[in-house]
Amino acid sequence: DGGITQSPKYLFRKEGQNVTLSCEQNLNHDAMYWYRQDPGQGLRLIYYSQIVNDFQKGDIAEGYSVSREKKESFPLTVTSAQKNPTAFYLCASSQSGGIGTDTQYFGPGTRLTVL
Amino acid sequence: DQQVKQNSPSLSVQEGRISILNCDYTNSMFDYFLWYKKYPAEGPTFLISISSIKDKNEDGRFTVFLNKSAKHLSLHIVPSQPGDSAVYFCAASFWGSARQLTFGSGTQLTVLP
Repeated sequence: DGGITQSPKYLFRKEGQNVTLSCEQNLNHDAMYWYRQDPGQGLRLIYYSQIVNDFQKGDIAEGYSVSREKKESFPLTVTSAQKNPTAFYLCASSQSGGIGTDTQYFGPGTRLTVL
Repeated sequence: DQQVKQNSPSLSVQEGRISILNCDYTNSMFDYFLWYKKYPAEGPTFLISISSIKDKNEDGRFTVFLNKSAKHLSLHIVPSQPGDSAVYFCAASFWGSARQLTFGSGTQLTVLP
């Protein structure tokens, strides 16, 4: 059963702590993406990766870091430098990340609350 | 600078009637447009897309229209069903940007029984 999984569904952390959000896909997609959604707003791109061991900053990368050591996995770390980390985080993947028209498919999301 | 705009935050429609959701964009480089449906606390679900070489794409009850000269696209849902009630996002991308998606702010559709 192919898809994108994100864990955990809900995450609570104290201010000043780093936290890592998991994203795994078994769709054999090359490209993976991280977005953030705030209430009443659209999704904004944090980081993306078109191939293993390579990733690029999106529109709001400050305070976040990522790694892409495996094709299936694209974890996102929310660091203490991120000023407003409380948000809904969504991971997505697509077949090629740029070749032709390409559709992104999303995971279920992680709600991060920083206390 | 919002490159993709959904100017109607909400829309209510009677069951069985047509729902029309609108989206405007400013970046003329966009060449691929998508509509996603989203429930609270869930990831967006892909609905339908259209390439800039077309002006219409249809999939069952969903039809997307693209007017490139007006930089406008719309999603038509016919007939609307209560299960269609959700937030609808339009998104756009262009070749050379790794197909990054730029999203509108969403329209909450409520289909009344």
